[in-house]
Amino acid sequence: DGGITQSPKYLFRKEGQNVTLSCEQNLNHDAMYWYRQDPGQGLRLIYYSQIVNDFQKGDIAEGYSVSREKKESFPLTVTSAQKNPTAFYLCASSMAGQTSYTFGSGTRLTVV
Amino acid sequence: GQQVMQIPQYQHVQEGEDFTTYCNSSTTLSNIQWYKQRPGGHPVFLIQLVKSGEVKKQKRLTFQFGEAKKNSSLHITATQTTDVGTYFCAVLPSSNTGKLIFGQGTTLQVKP
Repeated sequence: DGGITQSPKYLFRKEGQNVTLSCEQNLNHDAMYWYRQDPGQGLRLIYYSQIVNDFQKGDIAEGYSVSREKKESFPLTVTSAQKNPTAFYLCASSMAGQTSYTFGSGTRLTVV
Repeated sequence: GQQVMQIPQYQHVQEGEDFTTYCNSSTTLSNIQWYKQRPGGHPVFLIQLVKSGEVKKQKRLTFQFGEAKKNSSLHITATQTTDVGTYFCAVLPSSNTGKLIFGQGTTLQVKP
């Protein structure tokens, strides 16, 4: 079955460490997105990519970095510069010409 | 930038009661989407509305797009405990970059 896989489901890191969240899709979707969700809040866009080797900053890109070397993969690195990294991170994808998103199951990151 | 206001933020109902969430925009929308996120889960696409005045139904869920295409509603008839979760509306900005703008969501609690 096609879908989006995010790993790991839960991640614990010490303050000051960089951490990379994985997002892989086999839907042949062109566009991929990273969102952050804090308790009781909506979805805030971190980065998005509409084609391979190209990506744009979203509304809250500071302290994060991404790469899009393959169509299927869009990893997100949470750097030590991100002041409040503890959150639920959601990856999504969509096909060109279609606006509805398919979301992964998310990674819950806790920084201690 | 484009924003969508979603109300209410929270709603507690007794099982069997109806529920409605509203999404409002200050500008005319090309379309609007609705997503549901179960507690601890990820958003799942429910439906997209495109035409002025459009009404679509999915079992006990009724989705409506306003005549002026500036607002939308999701109505659930006779809620069940399986309806618990957060419902988000999402719109495309006028720049049509492909990245959705999500409302803040309405969290529904259903008391059995």
